[in-house]
Amino acid sequence: DIQMTQSPSTLSASVGDRVTITCRASQSISPWLAWYQQKPGKAPKLLIYEASNLEGGVPSRFSGSASGTEFTLTISSLQPDDFATYYCQQYNGYSLTFGGGTKVEIK
Amino acid sequence: QVQLVQSGPEVKRPGASVKVSCKASGYTFTNYAISWVRQAPGRGLEWMGWISAYTGNTNYKRGLQDRVTMTADASTGIAYLEVWSLGSDDTAVYYCARIREPDTEGLCDSTTCYPGDSWGQGTLVTVS
Repeated sequence: DIQMTQSPSTLSASVGDRVTITCRASQSISPWLAWYQQKPGKAPKLLIYEASNLEGGVPSRFSGSASGTEFTLTISSLQPDDFATYYCQQYNGYSLTFGGGTKVEIK
Repeated sequence: QVQLVQSGPEVKRPGASVKVSCKASGYTFTNYAISWVRQAPGRGLEWMGWISAYTGNTNYKRGLQDRVTMTADASTGIAYLEVWSLGSDDTAVYYCARIREPDTEGLCDSTTCYPGDSWGQGTLVTVS
């Protein structure tokens, strides 16, 4: 099974900061990688699909990129609404896998 | 608009089974698959499996396949998740999500694989 290693597990940042979260796949999956945002008590929300495509309605401060088996989610200027937990998910083939999550906290 | 509405919270004894439903609306049910994801308290997301609403084909996470059954009723637009032989580590919020599955060879292209773009509100299952 494909493993997804996400880092960091926790990140402290301030409003306006540039934030980067990374996921590394145990084998080639590109471009079948998604990023989700989850707030407490709510279902995950899709932000990015196919590694770098912004889902409709998602602010342009969110972006995704890929290099081999390493994937990055970048928030260009962190906003108050962005404090949440972020998950990557690979969906290459029959079985899917989530990363362990990154909690973005207020510094 | 696309909506997935799940059944209400459940409390079950260890060893029992639970069946969670997910009613889809706002799109053609058989054009997509339904994926099930769970989240134990304070933990991350765990993918459990998916079912094609068109073919009924399923794919379960290794290690869960002996205790999980996913079904989909195209006539009502409702997908079901049943979990058997519940233990305390099955206590979690269970989510359904609309996805597109790979082709019959397990391959993805721009017309097949798509991640969860619409999710149910979640169903809390407590095993105690």
